Amino acid sequence: DSGVTQTPKHLITATGQRVTLRCSPRSGDLSVYWYQQSLDQGLQFLIQYYNGEERAKGNILERFSAQQFPDLHSELNLSSLELGDSALYFCASSVALWAGEIDTQYFGPGTRLTVL
Amino acid sequence: GQQLNQSPQSMFIQEGEDVSMNCTSSSIFNTWLWYKQEPGEGPVLLIALYKAGELTSNGRLTAQFGITRKDSFLNISASIPSDVGIYFCAGQLDPGGSEKLVFGKGTKLTVNP
Repeated sequence: DSGVTQTPKHLITATGQRVTLRCSPRSGDLSVYWYQQSLDQGLQFLIQYYNGEERAKGNILERFSAQQFPDLHSELNLSSLELGDSALYFCASSVALWAGEIDTQYFGPGTRLTVL
Repeated sequence: GQQLNQSPQSMFIQEGEDVSMNCTSSSIFNTWLWYKQEPGEGPVLLIALYKAGELTSNGRLTAQFGITRKDSFLNISASIPSDVGIYFCAGQLDPGGSEKLVFGKGTKLTVNP
């Protein structure tokens, strides 16, 4: 158990819909990262938040957005869903005190999204 | 963007055999990480490497950070059935940029008892 929790574990929805995935980081971790894992693309970094603010962006679509709340939990919002958005979505957290600090990311169990 | 080439894509071995897999990159990384993922679970960190040339062990696992900082390998000795899973290498960019991880496509390991 990494200490990172994600809900829901599974989500089935239809094209065009909007969903919200939730992540609670490990106690004491300030940084949250979102990754998408699909069969053809592997694990892809989407976005990172640090202490409530966006810190880095990866291959995140404009239809997707995220935020980190004052209690440090994070939500990933996926809208206008398409069939190709079906994937595993992982959240990871790290201490990330400041740039240059040796840091390790710990992954949650993931949310499996199926878009029909 | 950065890409990691991980090989082999899959391995089928007998219990007790040693395993070796590696990752190469066209870019320099300051940190190399090795993760294992089992079905239905998130990646679990196995070994983290922070210095070029560093050789680190975790039980039967040994990993090295290449001198050029563009490659890393992972060895598993005396494999057992519970070693089954997908092993991912990941490189972390210079902390002066972002802390995002770049992942290899994974090596799927099957161990026959």
